[in-house]
Amino acid sequence: QVQLVQSGAEVKKPGASVKVSCRASGYNFNSYGITWVRQAPGQGLEWMGWINAYKGNTDSAQKFQGRVTMTTDTSTTTVYMELRSLRSDDTAVYYCARDLNFPQLAPDYWGQGTLVTVSS
Amino acid sequence: DIVLTQSPATLSLSPGERATLSCRASQSVSTFLAWFQQKPGQAPRLLIYNASNRATGIPARFSGSGSGTDFTLTISSLEPEDFAVYYCHQRSNWPRTFGQGTKLEIK
Repeated sequence: QVQLVQSGAEVKKPGASVKVSCRASGYNFNSYGITWVRQAPGQGLEWMGWINAYKGNTDSAQKFQGRVTMTTDTSTTTVYMELRSLRSDDTAVYYCARDLNFPQLAPDYWGQGTLVTVSS
Repeated sequence: DIVLTQSPATLSLSPGERATLSCRASQSVSTFLAWFQQKPGQAPRLLIYNASNRATGIPARFSGSGSGTDFTLTISSLEPEDFAVYYCHQRSNWPRTFGQGTKLEIK
């Protein structure tokens, strides 16, 4: 069965970086991409970006450009999302989701989420 | 960026009633719109893709319609497990965006 398993909760100080992993199994990793979405406490969903799991090409929301790096490791079927220069308003649950990236489709399997807390 | 506006913000209904949730896009997204359900402490769950296609395992009481800028998610007869927050999500343009959500609560 398709599974996306994310790394555990993190507590970071302002200005630090965090790297969240998303390990995929149960499907052909190289045929899909991964979308990253975050959700601040009590807030809605915010699309962050997408990475082609095989080729590694990415697209991200302008507000994160320059601060976010998404990478892929096909040998371990794991995708990573690193966010730098953390601020308190980056406190959120970060989700990865399998995504073919075709407009007529949508992210269909999601990880369990990773809580990142930014606090001094 | 395409802005998705969902209405109402909160919808109070009873089990067995029909729920109609709206999502309006700031510009045409064709049919490239999806709907997600999210319960507290859980990841979002895909319900509908390409405006009207039910995802795998989604009950037939969930249906989606619309094209262009106006979309609707309908739940024909509410079950107790349907009370949650619902988000629309456009796939037409980069960056992808989500609506702000509609909370469906028990009346």
